[in-house]
Amino acid sequence: GQQVMQIPQYQHVQEGEDFTTYCNSSTTLSNIQWYKQRPGGHPVFLIQLVKSGEVKKQKRLTFQFGEAKKNSSLHITATQTTDVGTYFCAGGFGNEKLTFGTGTRLTIIP
Amino acid sequence: EAGVAQSPRYKIIEKRQSVAFWCNPISGHATLYWYQQILGQGPKLLIQFQNNGVVDDSQLPKDRFSAERLKGVDSTLKIQPAKLEDSAVYLCASSLDLSGYGYTFGSGTRLTVV
Repeated sequence: GQQVMQIPQYQHVQEGEDFTTYCNSSTTLSNIQWYKQRPGGHPVFLIQLVKSGEVKKQKRLTFQFGEAKKNSSLHITATQTTDVGTYFCAGGFGNEKLTFGTGTRLTIIP
Repeated sequence: EAGVAQSPRYKIIEKRQSVAFWCNPISGHATLYWYQQILGQGPKLLIQFQNNGVVDDSQLPKDRFSAERLKGVDSTLKIQPAKLEDSAVYLCASSLDLSGYGYTFGSGTRLTVV
């Protein structure tokens, strides 16, 4: 089936350090979306990437889509306590349905 | 704009009982999704509607789960009878169309089956 793997499962960083989460699919994706879910909250849409090799930035967040459209990454520079949460990638396989990854839970050590 | 509304926020039931969840999507959003999120996992799609028609229900356990979206607006998801493994957060999401760009999720219903 269509699966999206995400690593690492957990990441603990000191405040001010950088953070990266990676997303991989065994098959080519039509698009990839990223969501953030705060503890006890619901997923909130961050961004969508569609083009091969695409890079998008939102303030301290940088999103990349691989050249083969099978992997993606989210990088946060100089983490802050407000970045705490679980980050999910969600892959589109051309059938309008998103398959969510397992998520990376980010905790910040003040 | 108003977000996706869901109710109830929490529900505790005994196994073999039935339960129903309600969702009201963002006005004008044609596509509605129900996801199941088990603790520590990513959301898993149960069913997708386009207006009042089902687009995908391949992962819906149809022996116990049912969903409808009458008139292409509100939707209800029902579980009958519930099992212990149904304990999860049930998330409703909507998007403008089938492109699936940027789902907006509701706050979810946390179901505990005891």
